[in-house]
Amino acid sequence: GAGVSQSPSNKVTEKGKDVELRCDPISGHTALYWYRQRLGQGLEFLIYFQGNSAPDKSGLPSDRFSAERTGESVSTLTIQRTQQEDSAVYLCASSSPSGTDTQYFGPGTRLTVL
Amino acid sequence: EDQVTQSPEALRLQEGESSSLNCSYTVSGLRGLFWYRQDPGKGPEFLFTLYSAGEEKEKERLKATLTKKESFLHITAPKPEDSATYLCAVEFLLGGADGLTFGKGTHLIIQP
Repeated sequence: GAGVSQSPSNKVTEKGKDVELRCDPISGHTALYWYRQRLGQGLEFLIYFQGNSAPDKSGLPSDRFSAERTGESVSTLTIQRTQQEDSAVYLCASSSPSGTDTQYFGPGTRLTVL
Repeated sequence: EDQVTQSPEALRLQEGESSSLNCSYTVSGLRGLFWYRQDPGKGPEFLFTLYSAGEEKEKERLKATLTKKESFLHITAPKPEDSATYLCAVEFLLGGADGLTFGKGTHLIIQP
């Protein structure tokens, strides 16, 4: 079956530009998560969506970061006025409401800010 | 502060040489502990979830165990295809963010 997909797989941008990263969760998964993985660091939680509830934005590092989700489907992570320290792999995960909290990850988007 | 620490950072083994990876955590309440495998350029691949001390789970050459303060990932007679970064993550029982807290991972290399 289809897993979590993300696009683009790679994104190179110039400092100060805005970028949008997309995540398509596994069909039927109501929970969606965004994480950031910087070189040599562990994954950092960014934001969590569960159904129609208000998202948990407690992990967003600054107000330049925002995310949206349409219902229980696609999510977009937007980074405004990108900085070099935003360079990282951005990973999306989804999980099912069927009784397990296991998160299944997409392949990630590698963002490079020049 | 709740933390997850993995050791060693890197481990090089000969094919067939068994060993264990450690994940220690300091959390006020553990809801679940997760092990993932990550290959270069890919997202983490789910391996195991453990919920309570004393629990064990196995998959092929891997076995995960959990105590009140740490988890071990035992690798028995590894093969070169087991080479990857192994990630440990913890989900809090109460409070904190809704996401997982990850360790930095153990980079495992199995030499033929």
